[in-house]
Amino acid sequence: GAGVSQSPRYKVAKRGQDVALRCDPISGHVSLFWYQQALGQGPEFLTYFQNEAQLDKSGLPSDRFFAERPEGSVSTLKIQRTQQEDSAVYLCASSFRDSYNEQFFGPGTRLTVL
Amino acid sequence: SQQGEEDPQALSIQEGENATMNCSYKTSINNLQWYRQNSGRGLVHLILIRSNEREKHSGRLRVTLDTSKKSSSLLITASRAADTASYFCATDAGADSWGKLQFGAGTQVVVTP
Repeated sequence: GAGVSQSPRYKVAKRGQDVALRCDPISGHVSLFWYQQALGQGPEFLTYFQNEAQLDKSGLPSDRFFAERPEGSVSTLKIQRTQQEDSAVYLCASSFRDSYNEQFFGPGTRLTVL
Repeated sequence: SQQGEEDPQALSIQEGENATMNCSYKTSINNLQWYRQNSGRGLVHLILIRSNEREKHSGRLRVTLDTSKKSSSLLITASRAADTASYFCATDAGADSWGKLQFGAGTQVVVTP
């Protein structure tokens, strides 16, 4: 595809609902990252995949957050029992391989938990 | 927690002027990157400078890196209204070189015609 795509672009959830956010990276990109961006702040790292392997999940805020990339392409970030503090923009990024390649970001999913 | 801090937090200039923003960080890095974010195009990569480089240019952008002071600067010359955006520095400090980035809080730049 032309770039990284994310869906849905906007999600409103009631507190306690589960949500699933999807990321389609650029074809052929090995690395995939999820970031969380609060209003007025820079993105904060959540988790990283190299192909289908989740190599770093140190940024996930709690065990309610879960990410997967089962076939090394599309990734899903799942948040269980959403809380108001989960409201943020969730950004997905992919890169060709490693640290010295630029990351291409998707437009993000804005999650609002009521 | 955020590794980088940008300064100033906000900057307002007129078209044609230069804009300079600074980034300080806390730990040793593999590289430092600058990104731009606006509502129209999302987060876009501008430039990457490696830890063994001191200066890099790309079009109207000039980035410097001083690892002894743990700081970087981004200069935008001859600014245009389209440069209005938030600018973030991001550092890759991982021992694993996977590219995990830590962003600062950003500098909000407004360029008025």
